[in-house]
Amino acid sequence: DAGITQSPRHKVTETGTPVTLRCHQTENHRYMYWYRQDPGHGLRLIHYSYGVKDTDKGEVSDGYSVSRSKTEDFLLTLESATSSQTSVYFCAIKGAQETQYFGPGTRLLVL
Amino acid sequence: GQQLNQSPQSMFIQEGEDVSMNCTSSSIFNTWLWYKQDPGEGPVLLIALYKAGELTSNGRLTAQFGITRKDSFLNISASIPSDVGIYFCAGQNGANSKLTFGKGITLSVRP
Repeated sequence: DAGITQSPRHKVTETGTPVTLRCHQTENHRYMYWYRQDPGHGLRLIHYSYGVKDTDKGEVSDGYSVSRSKTEDFLLTLESATSSQTSVYFCAIKGAQETQYFGPGTRLLVL
Repeated sequence: GQQLNQSPQSMFIQEGEDVSMNCTSSSIFNTWLWYKQDPGEGPVLLIALYKAGELTSNGRLTAQFGITRKDSFLNISASIPSDVGIYFCAGQNGANSKLTFGKGITLSVRP
């Protein structure tokens, strides 16, 4: 258990509404990541953070923004949700020697 | 971009059998990781590999870092029903602490 929680765990929203997902960690890890998981695509990196206020894009960052104002929290925002953003979202932290540990996930349905 | 290839997408075995799965790439990786994901949960790290040729075990699981550094193998011996799940490989080869993931293999175990 890497001390990672995600909230909410499930969310249903409508197209065009803003959505924010939260990742919280309790072990002071510097690196945090947001992935989405879709059938046929596996895990794809959306954004990651290498410190407070230090973030960078992943391979599928369009339509998403992130913020990290304190070490323990990494927020993922969908400014205007679309149906193509229906997915399962996972947060991860970097452990020792390039390992990553994942949270329990958030299931998002955009209607 | 870099890709990790895992095939087949699904494997069906009988309880008690051994199963092997591999992960291949056209790129060299410095770190190989194997994860297992149960339904509705986040991926869990099984084994991490850091040197070409390295062989590491975790209970009934054994993984190897290929000597070409372009592949890795996972073996599960004497399978049991709780081995059911999706097995992902992941590789890391740069200084940016990002992982590349395979699309996963879904393992089913018949009692």
